[in-house]
Amino acid sequence: QLQLQESGPGLVKPSETLSLTCIVSGGSISSTTYWWGWVRQPPGKGLEWIGCIFSSGRTYYSPSLKSRVTISVDTPENQFSLKVTSVTAADTAVYYCATYYGGYEYSDYWGQGVLVTVSS
Amino acid sequence: QSVLTQPPSVSAAPGQKVTISCSGSSSNIGNKYVSWYQQLPGTAPKLLIYGNNKRPSGIPDRFSGSKSGTSAALGITGLQTGDEADYYCGTWDDSLTTAVFGGGTKLTVL
Repeated sequence: QLQLQESGPGLVKPSETLSLTCIVSGGSISSTTYWWGWVRQPPGKGLEWIGCIFSSGRTYYSPSLKSRVTISVDTPENQFSLKVTSVTAADTAVYYCATYYGGYEYSDYWGQGVLVTVSS
Repeated sequence: QSVLTQPPSVSAAPGQKVTISCSGSSSNIGNKYVSWYQQLPGTAPKLLIYGNNKRPSGIPDRFSGSKSGTSAALGITGLQTGDEADYYCGTWDDSLTTAVFGGGTKLTVL
């Protein structure tokens, strides 16, 4: 049974870089079954897909965030990370890490989520 | 503005049935599998349906999924107060090369 856990600062200043890590347990991040993804949810709003990465390093990003987002994998630590540069208040959201089963198009394992607030 | 279109809200009485629609296009629903998620207040989304109509282990058969052309639907029968939640459809979009979600539908069990 996979478990995902997000970690990172809950407060980031405008124009700075948001950095989050998702620790994977109960399975290997080198698995070829899953893509590893990030989803965010602004307060009171719906889910927004940010992007995902395969164990090979191949990435797919949402067009609306592509210029500011980087997702990477740390295989020895069995974790993957998200960086969002030049943040504004619009980036305030609960950030979830999740698996993504490409081909069948679903996410069956989710982290509990971490609220990141962008404010000075 | 979401790529997939869902009604903002639906409501029904306990014990009744409700259907939540999800409309897309040929670049997403029309050629891809659809999944559905339930999000209870303050919690992470939970997978309800994958592969258009398959239920993960532990999901009761009160929940069902269907797809026709560029639209999909989630059906919930025997409504319970515990079903009050936000429901999201999701899939992959070949034109955007990213996963996409609907805007979400808030279910109220009156």
